[in-house]
Amino acid sequence: QKEVEQNSGPLSVPEGAIASLNCTYSDRGSQSFFWYRQYSGKSPELIMSIYSNGDKEDGRFTAQLNKASQYVSLLIRDSQPSDSATYLCAAHTGTASKLTFGTGTRLQVTL
Amino acid sequence: DAGVIQSPRHEVTEMGQEVTLRCKPISGHNSLFWYRQTMMRGLELLIYFNNNVPIDDSGMPEDRFSAKMPNASFSTLKIQPSEPRDSAVYFCASSPGTAVYGYTFGSGTRLTVV
Repeated sequence: QKEVEQNSGPLSVPEGAIASLNCTYSDRGSQSFFWYRQYSGKSPELIMSIYSNGDKEDGRFTAQLNKASQYVSLLIRDSQPSDSATYLCAAHTGTASKLTFGTGTRLQVTL
Repeated sequence: DAGVIQSPRHEVTEMGQEVTLRCKPISGHNSLFWYRQTMMRGLELLIYFNNNVPIDDSGMPEDRFSAKMPNASFSTLKIQPSEPRDSAVYFCASSPGTAVYGYTFGSGTRLTVV
């Protein structure tokens, strides 16, 4: 079992809809979680972080964390074609400096 | 701030040749990470440094791979000899200590070994 798992997609949503991206993790010691966006041919870019159970909103993005169920999600409201990218979920565990990444979900926002 | 700077952006080399990838972290960041990204395996952590000291190199695939960080502003990842299966995008990232706040990636080096 991979430490951080994501559905590879592609997830296709129409413009203006809500895109829901999900991630599960296996290590209950994981404490901090991150969503990175990666456009084709570019490097990952940090867009959201979440540390506590519940929701965290930033503009059109909402991150959700449920530690009991070991899942993290990212909601993108009013999806735009410019949101089309691969979204990587990452978890930080313990005192180590490293993040463990999922393989990413490719999102396609259609006109 | 110029961000994390990697060079070269692209590298094409023949099998058996030595390849050296370079990285300059963000000033003040004391943790540096080397990742490899492929379609099949996603982002894999190869090695990371804290205060210029290698902390975890368990992701380095073989002895052909080596990494150094001689000072706080420079790191190299070397592959010798290179093989076609090493073809991937190699990313360097840095963070201000613990990764609890996430980290910043460089633009990557696309390596092709023919």
